[in-house]
Amino acid sequence: QTVVTQEPSVSVSPGGTVTLTCGLSSGSVSTSHNPTWYQQTPGQAPRTLIYNTNTRSSGVPDRFSGSILGNKAALTITGAQADDESDYHCVLYMGRGIWVFGGGTELTVL
Amino acid sequence: EVQLVESGGGLVQPGGSLRLSCAASGFTFSNYAMTWVRQAPGKGLEWVSALSDSGANTYYADSVRGRYTISRDNSKHTLYLQINGLRAEDTAVYYCAKILHSGNYRYFDYWGRGTLVTVSS
Repeated sequence: QTVVTQEPSVSVSPGGTVTLTCGLSSGSVSTSHNPTWYQQTPGQAPRTLIYNTNTRSSGVPDRFSGSILGNKAALTITGAQADDESDYHCVLYMGRGIWVFGGGTELTVL
Repeated sequence: EVQLVESGGGLVQPGGSLRLSCAASGFTFSNYAMTWVRQAPGKGLEWVSALSDSGANTYYADSVRGRYTISRDNSKHTLYLQINGLRAEDTAVYYCAKILHSGNYRYFDYWGRGTLVTVSS
């Protein structure tokens, strides 16, 4: 069974830089997994931040960037702001119509 | 403007059934694959099921295969999720989302606000 791994919680100082990762329990994440990142605040639907590994969705500030770092997908926030405090979810496409989400990362800005 | 509006959630006893609906507008519904994603209270997102634009191809997470049935009515611009044999662990907010597939990438680009399913006696 495929498991997608994310850090359960991460903290960053205001103005700082933080990288969240999205890995596989077995194997490496590649662009063929179409890594996608969503931001979610409590009680709200997810909002698309990054799709196709590194493409920002419309209206997303350029302080958010996506990449492949080593064997994982990564979401980097440069110059974190207080309203970036949210849950961040990654999802990978495993092929044959199957998707798997990671467990999500709770980001604290303090 | 793309809109996805889920309905059909509620309180159901274990073993019961529900049919969730997702009414779509603002895009040509029959041109896009669709998906359901759920989120248990205080937990992360879990992909549940997806359906091709024509409805001919269905896909399920192992955790729900056999109890969940995804379907669509393109004439009514509506996506459905039939859930049978409900269990406590099915308690979640269920979101529908539109799948954008372009070239060599695909992702869930628009989401509804979700409908809450609570399984309890």
